[in-house]
Amino acid sequence: ETGVTQSPTHLIKTRGQQVTLRCSSQSGHNTVSWYQQALGQGPQFIFQYYREEENGRGNFPPRFSGLQFPNYSSELNVNALELDDSALYLCASSVDRAHEQYFGPGTRLTVT
Amino acid sequence: GQQLNQSPQSMFIQEGEDVSMNCTSSSIFNTWLWYKQDPGEGPVLLIALYKAGELTSNGRLTAQFGITRKDSFLNISASIPSDVGIYFCAGQNTGTASKLTFGTGTRLQVTL
Repeated sequence: ETGVTQSPTHLIKTRGQQVTLRCSSQSGHNTVSWYQQALGQGPQFIFQYYREEENGRGNFPPRFSGLQFPNYSSELNVNALELDDSALYLCASSVDRAHEQYFGPGTRLTVT
Repeated sequence: GQQLNQSPQSMFIQEGEDVSMNCTSSSIFNTWLWYKQDPGEGPVLLIALYKAGELTSNGRLTAQFGITRKDSFLNISASIPSDVGIYFCAGQNTGTASKLTFGTGTRLQVTL
């Protein structure tokens, strides 16, 4: 059984640019949640996708957007990057918005 | 965003010692989860708790769901070097978006 995978592993962008991060959910999981983890802190919920629809959103501005595809993989898009967007972006998948979320290895984004 | 309070913030222990850490919230959760995160990796699920008062074990790990539903505890018995890492608690209320609200983390270091 394949776990949650994310790409790319690392990314360096310039302030004002746009970025797309990708996530493949664990086999049999139809829900994907995205989290932002700043250095030294716990992950913060960005949003969740269930059956290709946004299913809840944390306290993040609209320049953070996402998609979920029919195979349940997902993308996180961030427009107009700011220095504070530098963080580890984590994707987690789960079965039908159930309790247990399983995380991928994350994408480390650095904005200069 | 909201973060749950974890204590201690960090701890140094000797191999073979038992470890206790806790997590408190100002609001109620109906599920508590404990994760371990190694540097540069995503959190790994250790234990999930679904019922107030529940005590659940996973090998040398034992976790409890507090009676008030506002706290949870994690114990590690007979620590070994690979227990090193950051331990996060996470509270969850299943519903429209079963987001995880994470704690501030407890950094565990084990000396030989």
